[in-house]
Amino acid sequence: QLQLQESGPGLVKPSETLSLTCTVSGGSISSSGYYWGWIRQPPRKGLEWIGTIYYSESTYYNPSLKSRVTISVDTSKNQFSLKLSSVTAADTAVYYCARLRPGAAFGVVIPTSIDYWGQGTLVTVSS
Amino acid sequence: DIVMTQSPDSLAVSLGGRATINCKSSQSVLYSSNNKNYLAWYQQKPGQPPKLLIYWASTRESGVPDRFSGSGSGTDFTLTISSLQAEDVAVYSCQQYYTTPLTFGGGTKVEIK
Repeated sequence: QLQLQESGPGLVKPSETLSLTCTVSGGSISSSGYYWGWIRQPPRKGLEWIGTIYYSESTYYNPSLKSRVTISVDTSKNQFSLKLSSVTAADTAVYYCARLRPGAAFGVVIPTSIDYWGQGTLVTVSS
Repeated sequence: DIVMTQSPDSLAVSLGGRATINCKSSQSVLYSSNNKNYLAWYQQKPGQPPKLLIYWASTRESGVPDRFSGSGSGTDFTLTISSLQAEDVAVYSCQQYYTTPLTFGGGTKVEIK
């Protein structure tokens, strides 16, 4: 059974960089053909897609965050990571790592529905 | 960005009753080449991550009870719970994957009347 687990600081100061890692167990990131990504949920609000990575090559980022986001994969550790720079209070949220199924559209492979989620980790931005 | 709008924001249904949740996209998520609607539905219980219920607008995920069904095409979609059970109390959200950025509806809270 695939499992995903987020780890990282629960408190980050304004203007600093938020760093989270997702450890995947029960399956290999590099051989699965799936997308891996991050979604966040501010308190009492809806879900927001942050970005997704495919085979350490193709990355897709939400344009609203693109200038501040980096997602990377470490296949040797079966982990992928999120870095979000220059954080503000608006970045306070529960951050989920997730697996996304690949699909096809317009002749390319794209991320589709999200079939596995981590439990989520609350990151608070405050001084 | 494709904006996903859900209605209602919340609803209360009697045990055994029917719950209907609507999701409207700001542009069509139907891909004409394969006639598939690029839309999923999730269930989220308090303190838990979302759970995939429905994908391609109407395909039930493995293990999801058949009282959950998805319908619709183009820009208008519906999630129906045919006979509400106590364990169905949750927030339900739709998501489009027709294009990036992937976007979600704001969620509909389902409670017992």
